[in-house]
Amino acid sequence: SQTIHQWPATLVQPVGSPLSLECTVEGTSNPNLYWYRQAAGRGLQLLFYSVGIGQISSEVPQNLSASRPQDRQFILSSKKLLLSDSGFYLCAWKELGVNEKLFFGSGTQLSVL
Amino acid sequence: KNEVEQSPQNLTAQEGEFITINCSYSVGISALHWLQQHPGGGIVSLFMLSSGKKKHGRLIATINIQEKHSSLHITASHPRDSAVYICAVRWPGGGADGLTFGKGTHLIIQP
Repeated sequence: SQTIHQWPATLVQPVGSPLSLECTVEGTSNPNLYWYRQAAGRGLQLLFYSVGIGQISSEVPQNLSASRPQDRQFILSSKKLLLSDSGFYLCAWKELGVNEKLFFGSGTQLSVL
Repeated sequence: KNEVEQSPQNLTAQEGEFITINCSYSVGISALHWLQQHPGGGIVSLFMLSSGKKKHGRLIATINIQEKHSSLHITASHPRDSAVYICAVRWPGGGADGLTFGKGTHLIIQP
């Protein structure tokens, strides 16, 4: 069965420190993968998506970057965190087709202090 | 731009009540998702609709393409149904993922 793992669940980091959030999927190959940010009172905002290894597209300019070193691994990174990077981050995978379905990771609550 | 509006924003009800959550959008879509986000933050996909009606257990989702409106109903509500329910629409201008998300409806079912 298809599953998606995301870690860590919570993270408190000082301003200027690096960031690495990891997401892995199981039970599928060559998935479309996405990183979202969810701000309080707002809908999910798409940050990055990837259709294959090494293929990353960014939807919004920001202090973050993403990488896909393996087919089922998607990483969200930053070299130097800003206060405005605080938020709830979700990794997701979309199963395409007639019965399109979304699978989300459990999310990471990032607090930058 | 597709505006996705959910109502109500917050809903508190008693166990056993029939619940209705609404989602309206402004531009024609090809599909609509209903998602459930539990207090811990994880999101689960409930339904994907392109027309008509779907049912799974106590959950029923309907969509009216002409009126650009969808509803999620919960029958015999239970405290474990307490969550944020999110509507997401798929349309050609919806970005790389094709989706625009609503802000969610926060549902609390009291015992």
